[in-house]
Amino acid sequence: DAKTTQPNSMESNEEEPVHLPCNHSTISGTDYIHWYRQLPSQGPEYVIHGLTSNVNNRMASLAIAEDRKSSTLILHRATLRDAAVYYCILRTGKSTFGDGTTLTVKP
Amino acid sequence: NAGVTQTPKFQVLKTGQSMTLQCAQDMNHEYMSWYRQDPGMGLRLIHYSVGAGITDQGEVPNGYNVSRSTTEDFPLRLLSAAPSQTSVYFCASQRRGDSYEQYFGPGTRLTVT
Repeated sequence: DAKTTQPNSMESNEEEPVHLPCNHSTISGTDYIHWYRQLPSQGPEYVIHGLTSNVNNRMASLAIAEDRKSSTLILHRATLRDAAVYYCILRTGKSTFGDGTTLTVKP
Repeated sequence: NAGVTQTPKFQVLKTGQSMTLQCAQDMNHEYMSWYRQDPGMGLRLIHYSVGAGITDQGEVPNGYNVSRSTTEDFPLRLLSAAPSQTSVYFCASQRRGDSYEQYFGPGTRLTVT
């Protein structure tokens, strides 16, 4: 099973960009990279996903390394409401989530 | 569109009791999954299903049974509850294929005494 590795925690100041890294060195050629986040006392919610090219949506951007062994979730301007646990996973629906990165946003 | 619904929201069981956690989705999704989340940890996959009549084990299947007789429903059965099964349980669904996102239910908080 392809695994991902993320830092346990990160901090950011409000209104500043945040770059959340994820390593997935055993990714296979058909694995999509998915990001979810979990707000306190809620279920995870989808953020973004991609295969090879960088992706943008209204919530975030996803930058994927050329060799696909790592990716970075970019929140362009962090708000207090972005404080959550962020998970990077492969093979959505068939994979365990790791422990994710706990993002703290300071006012 | 109710999305993914889970019942009950809270449950307390005594050791050795059995129960079924219900999960339903109205989006006609082929894939459904069950996860458990212990305090301070990520979600661990218990069982998943890629369609009616098809189920497979995840990382932590022991003590749990599932079946998928319809596309809409994916119940999780605890056969003989143990304190180690105290956790929050999430159900999720998605369209067939890895390029689609999962939709999660609100969770069931289970305590086994």
